[in-house]
Amino acid sequence: EAGVAQSPRYKIIEKRQSVAFWCNPISGHATLYWYQQILGQGPKLLIQFQNNGVVDDSQLPKDRFSAERLKGVDSTLKIQPAKLEDSAVYLCASSTRSSGKNEQYFGPGTRLTVT
Amino acid sequence: AQTVTQSQPEMSVQEAETVTLSCTYDTSESDYYLFWYKQPPSRQMILVIRQEAYKQQNATENRFSVNFQKAAKSFSLKISDSQLGDAAMYFCAYGRFDTGNQFYFGTGTSLTVIP
Repeated sequence: EAGVAQSPRYKIIEKRQSVAFWCNPISGHATLYWYQQILGQGPKLLIQFQNNGVVDDSQLPKDRFSAERLKGVDSTLKIQPAKLEDSAVYLCASSTRSSGKNEQYFGPGTRLTVT
Repeated sequence: AQTVTQSQPEMSVQEAETVTLSCTYDTSESDYYLFWYKQPPSRQMILVIRQEAYKQQNATENRFSVNFQKAAKSFSLKISDSQLGDAAMYFCAYGRFDTGNQFYFGTGTSLTVIP
């Protein structure tokens, strides 16, 4: 079974530029999560999708961050314009309730550096 | 909101010895899940062990076991016969039981294994 795929693995941009991250969850997983992990901290949920609908985006800075999961499969997270404080690892995860286990499976992450 | 506290930013253990990582959480819910995730320097978060709150029996997975104290809201991880490959950041996570399946992570404990 293929895991959660993310690209790119690394990205360096200047402040005020835009950037986009892509995530492809495990096949059949209805729930997809985007997390922001700042160095030395635990992951913080940005947005959660159930199929193509948003379940929770209360911690997403909506003035600069946006995310979509149009067909209920892969997802894109965008930052525009980026700020220095957006430097972090962006993790994507997916889960399914059909297994009864409720755990989330994580991708390798995208390390973003804003200069 | 649920909070998860890991009070040990760093821990070290001699190879082949046993180490215990601490985690406490705060919740008013009666049904939930608890997880320990491992994050090696490569960044991919890997599930180590999970515990359902309704189960009194502590979970075990090979060299990994937990001490789940529901009344005290404590969930510690014990690693026996520590190996060099156990060196990583360890995150404790609280998972909600409802359809949201949202996770709340602690700030992590960095484990060093000394040869």
